[in-house]
This record gives sequence, structure tokens and C-alpha cells, in this order.
Amino acid sequence: GAGVSQSPRYKVAKRGQDVALRCDPISGHVSLFWYQQALGQGPEFLTYFQNEAQLDKSGLPSDRFFAERPEGSVSTLKIQRTQQEDSAVYLCASSSSLLNIQYFGAGTRLSVL
Amino acid sequence: QKEVEQDPGPLSVPEGAIVSLNCTYSNSAFQYFMWYRQYSRKGPELLMYTYSSGNKEDGRFTAQVDKSSKYISLFIRDSQPSDSATYLCAMRSENAGGTSYGKLTFGQGTILTVHP
Repeated sequence: GAGVSQSPRYKVAKRGQDVALRCDPISGHVSLFWYQQALGQGPEFLTYFQNEAQLDKSGLPSDRFFAERPEGSVSTLKIQRTQQEDSAVYLCASSSSLLNIQYFGAGTRLSVL
Repeated sequence: QKEVEQDPGPLSVPEGAIVSLNCTYSNSAFQYFMWYRQYSRKGPELLMYTYSSGNKEDGRFTAQVDKSSKYISLFIRDSQPSDSATYLCAMRSENAGGTSYGKLTFGQGTILTVHP
């Protein structure tokens, strides 16, 4: 597709469940970013990849959060043992290089009950 | 205190009005400044992108950056109902020596409604 694609668009999880969120970046984009957007707030940085290398994971809120991009294309954000405070929209963005414009997907809205 | 402060509004204006949106920031390393528009249940969409201080105009939109005051603005002229959205300021540094210079730091977002 032409844009960043994220799936699923909506995810409801029971507290304690593991979830996996997928991001398909724009074809050829080497940089990929994950952000978390709480209700009524701006996006907050979680982590980014340059190709398959995870260069910064300083924004991941806890060790329950894990991201990977094994082949330098599709990325998965995994949250283990979900908690209510994990409820948010998770946005993925990609860019053609680290300092270029970031294009965002529509996000995955996670609700933890 | 957050690195980037943005008045969340909400802001309601009549069609045709001039809208002014603002952000202040504390990190002097920020060099790149952006404004994103986010419609409900959509991802942020880039509107304006500026480097360092100065003005940039694109159609009905004008972005201003004043690095000495750590203050950025977005002006929307002749506002339309289709401009109703959340407007997010974002910025990043140019510190090539670090590992986090690619990440964006966002403001809280300002909710704008333009009514006919």
C-alpha cells in the first residue's frame, strides 16, 4: 500500500493477556518509530529502528514492552501481561531516513479491561 | 514540567476566522519544528515542517519559529469546517552524536472546531 498500515485497528484485551501489534511501513522506508498516545494527549516516543537495528528503546515504559523488526520491514510491538494503564492508541511511523519526515499510520487502539 | 507545552483548548471559531495555535518548549537542542493535524481516529498528518527560526507559508497555513523565545506558532487563515481537528506541534533535535535525535517530542494537542 501507499501508506503506513497498522493492524489490528482495535484490540480489546483482558488484564494480564499478551498482545501483539503490527506495523507495515511504507515500502523502502528504513526508519520506523513507535509512539503511544493516551486519550487527550500527544504521542509519546517508545522506540525506533534503523532497518532491523533497534537504536533507541528509551521510551518503552516497562520490560513488559518489547518491539522487533527482524527483517528491516514489518515491525511488531508486543505487550506482555497487559495492565489497564496500557490502554492507549499505539502509532507507528516510518521515514526514508532518520531525519526525514515521519509518516504515521492510523494506529491501533488498545483497550485493557 | 513537560519539554513541550501546548494549550489543549478546546478552541471554537467561526468559519473564515484566523486561528492562532502556539507551543512553547524548554529544550534548546530542538532544531526541527513540525505541525501535525490529527482527525478523530486517524494518525497525525504533517502540515508544516521548518528548520530553526523563521517563517514558512503554505497556502492558508503559516508557521513561525522564534528560537530565542522557544515559541512556535501556526496560523490558519480563512478557516474552514474541514480544518476541525486536533493540531499537534512536534519537534526534534539535531544532535548527531546522540542516539535519540530521530524521535519527535509532541505537545498535548489543541482541539480546534470551526463552525459554519
